[in-house]
Amino acid sequence: EAGVTQSPTHLIKTRGQQATLRCSPISGHTSVYWYQQALGLGLQFLLWYDEGEERNRGNFPPRFSGRQFPNYSSELNVNALELEDSALYLCASSRHRATDTQYFGPGTRLTVL
Amino acid sequence: AQSVSQHNHHVILSEAASLELGCNYSYGGTVNLFWYVQYPGQHLQLLLKYFSGDPLVKGIKGFEAEFIKSKFSFNLRKPSVQWSDTAEYFCAVNAPGGADGLTFGKGTHLIIQP
Repeated sequence: EAGVTQSPTHLIKTRGQQATLRCSPISGHTSVYWYQQALGLGLQFLLWYDEGEERNRGNFPPRFSGRQFPNYSSELNVNALELEDSALYLCASSRHRATDTQYFGPGTRLTVL
Repeated sequence: AQSVSQHNHHVILSEAASLELGCNYSYGGTVNLFWYVQYPGQHLQLLLKYFSGDPLVKGIKGFEAEFIKSKFSFNLRKPSVQWSDTAEYFCAVNAPGGADGLTFGKGTHLIIQP
């Protein structure tokens, strides 16, 4: 069974640009979570999508947004990139219930110059 | 808001030594508890989890953890570590409903010397 996949592996952008990151969940999982792992800040919850809807977001500004498609894959968009957005962005998936175990993908390393 | 504290940021042990990594959380209600591991160059993997029942849970690769509700703790243990256990270890919690996602500790970087 394939795990959570993410693309691209690395992404380099300049300040002010937009970044789009993609995630495909494990087959049968309907919930997708996004986390940011920034140096010195640890792993922080960004967004939760379930059944195509945004269910909750962490303490991040509105320029972090995303969506979930009918096949449950998800996209994270970061607008007006700032230098401090440089981080590893992890996607996780779980079955429908939010408290079920989350399985993580390999991440996308975003570098903002 | 819930928080997770991992006491040791860096731990260095010799092979065959015993391991205990501390994890404390702050949340007044029922929680689900997890330990994840990130081996060098690999992604986060689930080591073990506690939802309910027996507070002593066993995970992969000989790891176990004990949930002590009165101490808000979920410490990770392994009786005899191997060089291949070198990794970053993260404790995480989420509350029933899980709407806030997982709350992670800052992680413990474990180095096992051969």
